[in-house]
Amino acid sequence: DTGVSQDPRHKITKRGQNVTFRCDPISEHNRLYWYRQTLGQGPEFLTYFQNEAQLEKSRLLSDRFSAERPKGSFSTLEIQRTEQGDSAMYLCASSRWTENTGELFFGEGSRLTVL
Amino acid sequence: DAKTTQPPSMDCAEGRAANLPCNHSTISGNEYVYWYRQIHSQGPQYIIHGLKNNETNEMASLIITEDRKSSTLILPHATLRDTAVYYCIVRVEGTGNQFYFGTGTSLTVIP
Repeated sequence: DTGVSQDPRHKITKRGQNVTFRCDPISEHNRLYWYRQTLGQGPEFLTYFQNEAQLEKSRLLSDRFSAERPKGSFSTLEIQRTEQGDSAMYLCASSRWTENTGELFFGEGSRLTVL
Repeated sequence: DAKTTQPPSMDCAEGRAANLPCNHSTISGNEYVYWYRQIHSQGPQYIIHGLKNNETNEMASLIITEDRKSSTLILPHATLRDTAVYYCIVRVEGTGNQFYFGTGTSLTVIP
């Protein structure tokens, strides 16, 4: 079990640039989640996939954000025209969903700093 | 959105039991109580979850009141490595399955 891996771990960019984060879930997990976390706050739900289908998007996910999971394995989260308010830790999690459990396994996160 | 209330911070002496309370007075019958923790600069880590019975695993015990309106996470012998933010989450059953985190309880284990 190699765990959930995220790349890059840190990204510094200038306002207006596009950034992309990648998440590789645990291999047999069919659900993949993206969360955002700012300093002093708990993780905030952004979106999740079951296999390749994006089943829900939070209202926090503005038009500048797009997430994909094309083959039901890894996922990417792209932020276009970054703003300073996008600075945060972006967390990916995966789970093997069953009816009664489905606890999440989180990666270490990708920290974004927008200058 | 978070449906739980937790104290913002707590201290515990090393080696003693840490008892972290959580109120979830609006919990519905098919909602589970989950506990996660987040050590600084790491992703959250699952600890334990339960529906109505008390649960125990190698990390902690979860005590849920009979009316299910509150619960307590117990770390039986706290160590310095247990210093973290602890999140109590009520999870909606069904197709949604999102975990909504609040601000949690920042536990500091004191030597």
